[in-house]
Amino acid sequence: SQQGEEDPQALSIQEGENATMNCSYKTSINNLQWYRQNSGRGLVHLILIRSNEREKHSGRLRVTLDTSKKSSSLLITASRAADTASYFCATVIQGAQKLVFGQGTRLTINP
Amino acid sequence: DTAVSQTPKYLVTQMGNDKSIKCEQNLGHDTMYWYKQDSKKFLKIMFSYNNKELIINETVPNRFSPKSPDKAHLNLHINSLELGDSAVYFCASSQNLAGGRETQYFGPGTRLLVL
Repeated sequence: SQQGEEDPQALSIQEGENATMNCSYKTSINNLQWYRQNSGRGLVHLILIRSNEREKHSGRLRVTLDTSKKSSSLLITASRAADTASYFCATVIQGAQKLVFGQGTRLTINP
Repeated sequence: DTAVSQTPKYLVTQMGNDKSIKCEQNLGHDTMYWYKQDSKKFLKIMFSYNNKELIINETVPNRFSPKSPDKAHLNLHINSLELGDSAVYFCASSQNLAGGRETQYFGPGTRLLVL
């Protein structure tokens, strides 16, 4: 079964609004990463948050991690049309040597 | 220059054929991966290699055989293609294995369609 599950599966907002995506996972992790995939392209790494961190920022991105709830959120502020993409969380399970991806949130920014 | 490149970008073939996908990274990374993304966008690891050594084989059918001639290349050969092999295949690399904790850099994907 999947380790990470994103919520919602699809999100459509107006340009300029904030977009929040959530990720839940099942087992203890070393770190959690967020990736973006534009249509027809490969995945691009956005941000990595370690299991001992609670919040991390990168430009308009803000990621939080709550290990007690086994969940993370990705906030994109002041969204732009170019942010339209699928966003995936990926976790590294303790003791494993691989990233496990969720199914992603498909984000659409309407002009 | 593209950091992780894959060829071909599109591959349409008949069931039963054998095909190969090539991947090259110019980042100087030690670790390379193959992922399969299905029609529902679910991305799953297939293999990982570290310095030409197989690290992960994620219960992939033995029709799939990865080959790493050097640490900059990881090719994927698929024998006797089946309809269910239709998917997008992504190559990725990371600086080292580090238990999978490293940031991974993805290629643009190879869209395989088996008819």
